[in-house]
Amino acid sequence: DGGITQSPKYLFRKEGQNVTLSCEQNLNHDAMYWYRQDPGQGLRLIYYSQIVNDFQKGDIAEGYSVSREKKESFPLTVTSAQKNPTAFYLCASTPGPAGETQYFGPGTRLLVL
Amino acid sequence: SQQGEEDPQALSIQEGENATMNCSYKTSINNLQWYRQNSGRGLVHLILIRSNEREKHSGRLRVTLDTSKKSSSLLITASRAADTASYFCATESSGGSYIPTFGRGTSLIVHP
Repeated sequence: DGGITQSPKYLFRKEGQNVTLSCEQNLNHDAMYWYRQDPGQGLRLIYYSQIVNDFQKGDIAEGYSVSREKKESFPLTVTSAQKNPTAFYLCASTPGPAGETQYFGPGTRLLVL
Repeated sequence: SQQGEEDPQALSIQEGENATMNCSYKTSINNLQWYRQNSGRGLVHLILIRSNEREKHSGRLRVTLDTSKKSSSLLITASRAADTASYFCATESSGGSYIPTFGRGTSLIVHP
């Protein structure tokens, strides 16, 4: 089956801890994206990558970091600098960089202990 | 910043009725997309309409686009309980980064 997988489904973070959310796609898509969703809010763009070894900040990149060492993988690290990390995190991909339908993963819910 | 804003924020209807939700945006766009999200899940693409198109259909879905009013509407005909979800519009601004900007969504509840 082709698609996007995210893991884990739920993730708990302790104060001062960095945590990494996984996103993998086997769609051979060039571009990948990370969004944050808070209750009653739309999706806000954290980071995106249109090609391997390159990524760009979105609207709310502070407190987050990413890497794109492989085409199929785009992990997101929530650092201790992100003071309000509790949210639903969604990963998406598109075949190319522009004007495309986005394919979403099932999401990871991050909670702070 | 959010480009598209859906209206209403919440909509509650009976099965069999039609559901209409609207999206307004501020700047010129290349295309507008509608997505659906079931509670606690990822988004699923429904339909894309380009700026030179006025209406598109897909099954029970009908999308219109009025670029002069900078607005779009999504009509779901003969709704079913399984249509209960949140619906988001996403706009790709012309002359921009080609990254779609999502609105806050309309929460639709269809009562059986």
